Amino acid sequence: DAGVIQSPRHEVTEMGQEVTLRCKPISGHDYLFWYRQTMMRGLELLIYFNNNVPIDDSGMPEDRFSAKMPNASFSTLKIQPSEPRDSAVYFCASSFVSPWGVVYEKLFFGSGTQLSVL
Amino acid sequence: ILNVEQSPQSLHVQEGDSTNFTCSFPSSNFYALHWYRWETAKSPEALFVMTLNGDEKKKGRISATLNTKEGYSYLYIKGSQPEDSATYLCASSNTGTASKLTFGTGTRLQVTL
Repeated sequence: DAGVIQSPRHEVTEMGQEVTLRCKPISGHDYLFWYRQTMMRGLELLIYFNNNVPIDDSGMPEDRFSAKMPNASFSTLKIQPSEPRDSAVYFCASSFVSPWGVVYEKLFFGSGTQLSVL
Repeated sequence: ILNVEQSPQSLHVQEGDSTNFTCSFPSSNFYALHWYRWETAKSPEALFVMTLNGDEKKKGRISATLNTKEGYSYLYIKGSQPEDSATYLCASSNTGTASKLTFGTGTRLQVTL
């Protein structure tokens, strides 16, 4: 398996532009998470899905952020309009429910998207 | 809201030294505790997932313990090597939202020759 695949690796855009980040989770994983990494706040959970359904989006900073998971193999995180304070590394991660009933095992992270909003 | 704290923030040791870090988390409604290793320019990789009080896990020279009653976990590295240099993250979840991990800000370890 290729692991969690994110694209693009780097994105540089101007303030006000729309940004779309993409993620392909590991096949068979039930959960998909979007995290944001900043120096000030570390790794913050933005939103997560279970079986393609958004479960908790309380970490989404504001209405400019939206996320979708149209099928089990693809998710997007969109920022519209983007602002300089959105500059960060955005990680996608996936996981699964273990046979022992642990809600999920370890997270498998993608390589991240480094976003710079000028 | 969970508050996960890690200490120290950074650590500089010499090759061959053994070291340990601490992760503190709210003990009420505890569900799971994760440790991840994050090398520069890479993505975090899981080391351990622990759920039971008294759990001890080991992977090579790295081991971890868990005390859910007092809300802390220790990560130990025996005989540190330069390739152990990384940021070590812990994260915990509670029974109300077992799928939702809250991460600490990490301990950055630098191992020199």
